[in-house]
Amino acid sequence: EADIYQTPRYLVIGTGKKITLECSQTMGHDKMYWYQQDPGMELHLIHYSYGVNSTEKGDLSSESTVSRIRTEHFPLTLESARPSHTSQYLCASSGIGRDRVYNEQFFGPGTRLTVL
Amino acid sequence: SQQGEEDPQALSIQEGENATMNCSYKTSINNLQWYRQNSGRGLVHLILIRSNEREKHSGRLRVTLDTSKKSSSLLITASRAADTASYFCATVSSGNTPLVFGKGTRLSVIA
Repeated sequence: EADIYQTPRYLVIGTGKKITLECSQTMGHDKMYWYQQDPGMELHLIHYSYGVNSTEKGDLSSESTVSRIRTEHFPLTLESARPSHTSQYLCASSGIGRDRVYNEQFFGPGTRLTVL
Repeated sequence: SQQGEEDPQALSIQEGENATMNCSYKTSINNLQWYRQNSGRGLVHLILIRSNEREKHSGRLRVTLDTSKKSSSLLITASRAADTASYFCATVSSGNTPLVFGKGTRLSVIA
């Protein structure tokens, strides 16, 4: 059982609302990721972080922003939600291996977001 | 950009049969990983194979890697209904780069 948590698990909100999806891990991993995934489809990397005060955009353009003030916490914020943001958001973390290459990722259970 | 491409996109088999999924990728890698995702959940790491390895086993899972063909296969032997899930391959290039996931194979095991 991976020690990575996401809240809320489900969220239904109206257009224009500001929301923050929470992600926390207790494994001391320095690297964390956010993915967006539509049901039954591929994962798209939207943000990742090498460590505290470090954030990078992923392959998929996203209107969301992230912050990394503490190692264990990597929240994702949407300033103004739209129906096109309806999707599942998955958070993951990984730690560096002996060969200095990141090895397996541990995933949280996901947040399913619906914007009406 | 997607690195891995799984094949087939969907697979339906009877319980007890073996399931084989393939993954092809484009650039050189340090390691390749396979993950499972049950419907509506996060992904779970199954197995990692490094670029200097050719085959790896874990329980009923067998993974092969052919770096000359830039391909990998995942074999699940004696499948069970509980194996029903989507399976993704993911690659790690040399250096400090994120995992790149393929599009996944949806496996259905019918009891």
